Formats: sequence, C-alpha cells, structure tokens
Amino acid sequence: EVQLVQSGPEVKKPGESLRISCKGSGYNFNNYWIAWVRQMPGKGLEWMGFIYARDSDTKYSPSFQGQVSISIDKSINTAYLQWSSLKASDTAMYYCARHVVGPTIGLDYWGQGTLVIASS
Amino acid sequence: EIVLTQSPATLSLSPGERATLSCRASQSIRNSLAWYQQKPGQTPRLLIYDASNRATGIPARFSGSGSGTDFTLTISSLEPEDFAVYYCHQRTNWLYTFGQGTKLEI
Repeated sequence: EVQLVQSGPEVKKPGESLRISCKGSGYNFNNYWIAWVRQMPGKGLEWMGFIYARDSDTKYSPSFQGQVSISIDKSINTAYLQWSSLKASDTAMYYCARHVVGPTIGLDYWGQGTLVIASS
Repeated sequence: EIVLTQSPATLSLSPGERATLSCRASQSIRNSLAWYQQKPGQTPRLLIYDASNRATGIPARFSGSGSGTDFTLTISSLEPEDFAVYYCHQRTNWLYTFGQGTKLEI
C-alpha cells in the first residue's frame, strides 16, 4: 500500500527555523517526484515545488523560490520542506504528494498534511 | 505564469442532478490538466489526469473533457458524497498552478 506519512503539527515563533518531513512507503521511492502544496486557512491549494527522489532535481514555483527549501534523503525515503526564518504568513497546512510517472500531470497519493503555526 | 480561472465559485445543486464545473487557462496548456476533490478536513483526491483520464478507483460518473484553454469536469448524477470543493491543476514545462476552486454545495 502506497503511503506518505508526514511529521506532526508545529507551533513556532516568527524568525525561527523549521523542517517538516514526508516519508514514503509501499512503492519505489526513487522513481517519483514528491511535491509540496500549501493550503492557508480557509483557502485553496498552492503549488510550492517538487523534487525527484533519484537525483534530487528540484523545481520551485516562482512564488516560493528563495522562501523555502525542498530536499530529500532517499536512503530513508523521506522528503523535507524547510524554512530558515518563518513568517506569520507561513501559517498553513502543508501537504506532500506523489506526482504520477511520465510526461503527465496528477498527484495521486497525498500525505495527511502538517499544520504549521507561526505566531508570537 | 499561467492562471487557471474556475467557474462558478459556488455551485448549488441537488443529489441526482448533473454538475458541470469549468476551468479556463490564461494560455494553452494542451491537455496538461488534472482535477481534484477535497472534502472538509480531508486531503485532496485525484479525480482526473491529462484532462480526461479517470484516476484509479474514481467512479464513472466523473468525467473530464477539454484541451487548450477550456476544460470541464462533469459529474453525471450527484451523490451525497460528491459535495466538496474541486480544484483544477495545470502543468506547463516545470511550472504548475492550481485554480482557486469551485465549491459544490447542496
């Protein structure tokens, strides 16, 4: 069974750093891109970027380039989303998701989401 | 950046009725479009990929159509569990964006 399991909720102060994780299982982790998607409270989905597990090739949305860092440790089938200095506006639910294989579009499996609250 | 505009913002229908949701791209995206369903407190679920292909396990009452700039998600006969928010999602090269969503309510 394919699963993406994300790390637990986080409450941080603005200015603090944070890394959240997404662990894949039940499939060949190396063959897929893992995407990160933001959903602010009561709002829609926003594409942040994604990373290819095999070679760590990473593509960012222009809106998030320089604001976050996406990385991967394929030895433990885990992708990460990292902030060096959180802002209050980073408060949101963050989802990881697996991108379907091939020159196509679709996120077929999703993690359960990690709630990040940045508040003083 | 390609902008996806979904309409209507809210669609009010009854079980058994047909739902037609629209997604328009600001420039041609060929058939690089997916649709997702999200219920309150749940993660999104992939319904349609490449504009018209149903994802695994998706009921046949869901269908997608369109290419270029205009796309449609049709639910042929609404079931109570179909009332949710629906998002379209496009890919152009390495740039992806989501539409703002259509809320399908009873």
